[in-house]
Amino acid sequence: GQQVMQIPQYQHVQEGEDFTTYCNSSTTLSNIQWYKQRPGGHPVFLIQLVKSGEVKKQKRLTFQFGEAKKNSSLHITATQTTDVGTYFCAGPRNFGNEKLTFGTGTRLTIIP
Amino acid sequence: DAGVIQSPRHEVTEMGQEVTLRCKPISGHDYLFWYRQTMMRGLELLIYFNNNVPIDDSGMPEDRFSAKMPNASFSTLKIQPSEPRDSAVYFCASSLAPPSRNQPQHFGDGTRLSIL
Repeated sequence: GQQVMQIPQYQHVQEGEDFTTYCNSSTTLSNIQWYKQRPGGHPVFLIQLVKSGEVKKQKRLTFQFGEAKKNSSLHITATQTTDVGTYFCAGPRNFGNEKLTFGTGTRLTIIP
Repeated sequence: DAGVIQSPRHEVTEMGQEVTLRCKPISGHDYLFWYRQTMMRGLELLIYFNNNVPIDDSGMPEDRFSAKMPNASFSTLKIQPSEPRDSAVYFCASSLAPPSRNQPQHFGDGTRLSIL
């Protein structure tokens, strides 16, 4: 079955440093969604990428969708304590499928 | 606007007891999803509904788990009898349309379930 892996599993960074998480799917995705889950909270939708090679920015966050639509990345510039949490990518299992497969997640902690 | 509402927020009960988790999706959302989150297995989809009809329950771990959606504004996930390995955070999520049509999912706050 489809698998969505993320690396690294954990990342500890000094406040102000950059952070990147990578997402890889075993199958082609029609789109990729990114969610953030704060400690003790619930996943919150951040953004969606649809087109091959698409790049989107939200303030300090930059999201990319690979050319083959099998991988994606999230880059945070100059991390802040508010960035703490677990970042998940998620994609529909197959074109037309109604279920999301969530990645394994990357837990980001910030050292003040 | 009200988001997805789940109850209870926390549940602690002894093994063998029946547990019922409740969810009210966002009004107008046609899709409802039940997930379970644990450290070991991450975020797993248990079952989802489209227009109140269960579409795929292949993620439901055992016959001890059942889910219903009697109307567009209410769903339940029941575990009977409960076991310690069912301890997890259970999330309900809803969306306007499936992810293949580029719609995000909106999650409730979750129910943190502990089976002793």
